[in-house]
Amino acid sequence: DTAVSQTPKYLVTQMGNDKSIKCEQNLGHDTMYWYKQDSKKFLKIMFSYNNKELIINETVPNRFSPKSPDKAHLNLHINSLELGDSAVYFCASSQSWTGDNEQFFGPGTRLTVL
Amino acid sequence: AQSVTQLGSHVSVSEGALVLLRCNYSSSVPPYLFWYVQYPNQGLQLLLKYTTGATLVKGINGFEAEFKKSETSFHLTKPSAHMSDAAEYFCAVSDQAGNQFYFGTGTSLTVIP
Repeated sequence: DTAVSQTPKYLVTQMGNDKSIKCEQNLGHDTMYWYKQDSKKFLKIMFSYNNKELIINETVPNRFSPKSPDKAHLNLHINSLELGDSAVYFCASSQSWTGDNEQFFGPGTRLTVL
Repeated sequence: AQSVTQLGSHVSVSEGALVLLRCNYSSSVPPYLFWYVQYPNQGLQLLLKYTTGATLVKGINGFEAEFKKSETSFHLTKPSAHMSDAAEYFCAVSDQAGNQFYFGTGTSLTVIP
């Protein structure tokens, strides 16, 4: 019954490693997002996909690469992890791309880079 | 360009007291405005939103917000705070096309018994 799910919930890894976070939504939505929330709770959009097409690509290091195999999935791959990548990453989805849509958030993935 | 400012990163109220969380926005075009709530160790969920029409918007859990164009504000209120309202609250602004979406820095609400 979970609307937006993310795996894993916690991710602890060493600097320099490559890791992926998976996101799936079962709401039939067209649009999906990745957000980064830092230790001060500041929430910033990273990427947005609409019908598997990249729409928003904020100023994010190219070590971060989103991949959308289909409308229901938006995965985030991170290469060469750095200490500053430690944060909570949230996936979200909305029915469509227009700005008035409610976004439904996943429970978050807490990434800790040692 | 759009932005949103939340005044007060921490707000404490007594149980039963009025809750007022402030949000001001800047936008060159009529924006869409949102309030989201984040409970500890959870994702965000929508409290309410303003798109068009009535400027007083009612949301879940007894919250409401009023869009005041002249003041560029969208403050969140609740007449009587409950302990369960303790959470982080985020104001957000979007343009109509959905090309720009920004969250405020959040306000942590503490409810004192």
